[in-house]
Amino acid sequence: KAGVTQTPRYLIKTRGQQVTLSCSPISGHRSVSWYQQTPGQGLQFLFEYFSETQRNKGNFPGRFSGRQFSNSRSEMNVSTLELGDSALYLCASGAGSTDTQYFGPGTRLTVL
Amino acid sequence: GENVEQHPSTLSVQEGDSAVIKCTYSDSASNYFPWYKQELGKRPQLIIDIRSNVGEKKDQRIAVTLNKTAKHFSLHITETQPEDSAVYFCAASIAGGADGLTFGKGTHLIIQP
Repeated sequence: KAGVTQTPRYLIKTRGQQVTLSCSPISGHRSVSWYQQTPGQGLQFLFEYFSETQRNKGNFPGRFSGRQFSNSRSEMNVSTLELGDSALYLCASGAGSTDTQYFGPGTRLTVL
Repeated sequence: GENVEQHPSTLSVQEGDSAVIKCTYSDSASNYFPWYKQELGKRPQLIIDIRSNVGEKKDQRIAVTLNKTAKHFSLHITETQPEDSAVYFCAASIAGGADGLTFGKGTHLIIQP
């Protein structure tokens, strides 16, 4: 099976702009989780979608949002970008019931 | 919420020696504990995981042990090789829950030739 894919791989934005990141899970996986990775804070949970429903959200402001489509592909949106949003954004897919999660290559977001 | 502490932050071992990385968690309801390896510029890769109904699990040179009473779990790598050099992350979650994985801060494992 093909692995988790994410697009784009790199993004450069300026403060105040918004950005949309995309994640395609492993075929058959219905769960998609998003994580932010920074040198200072490490890997932090953003939110998880399962069968198009957001099941929970981590401790991030409302500027961070997401959605999942019927084919399990997921998008994450960050509005009004801040310098501190510069990070590697990783998505992970899982079959749902087993909790084993497989990560995509990430999108490196740089906010100038 | 869950809190995961991971030690050490950096570990340097001679090639062929063993490496041990330790993690503690705070939420006694957590019952799923994966370990990920992340090489520079690459995605985290699942290397082994353990569930709370098991005390130990092995996969070739890698093993994980879990002590539910003490709320800690450890990764053991034997006969280390240069390709084992990477950052290792432990994580904890509640199986079937929706809070995602809570990760430790990571351990940079350096294998000295």
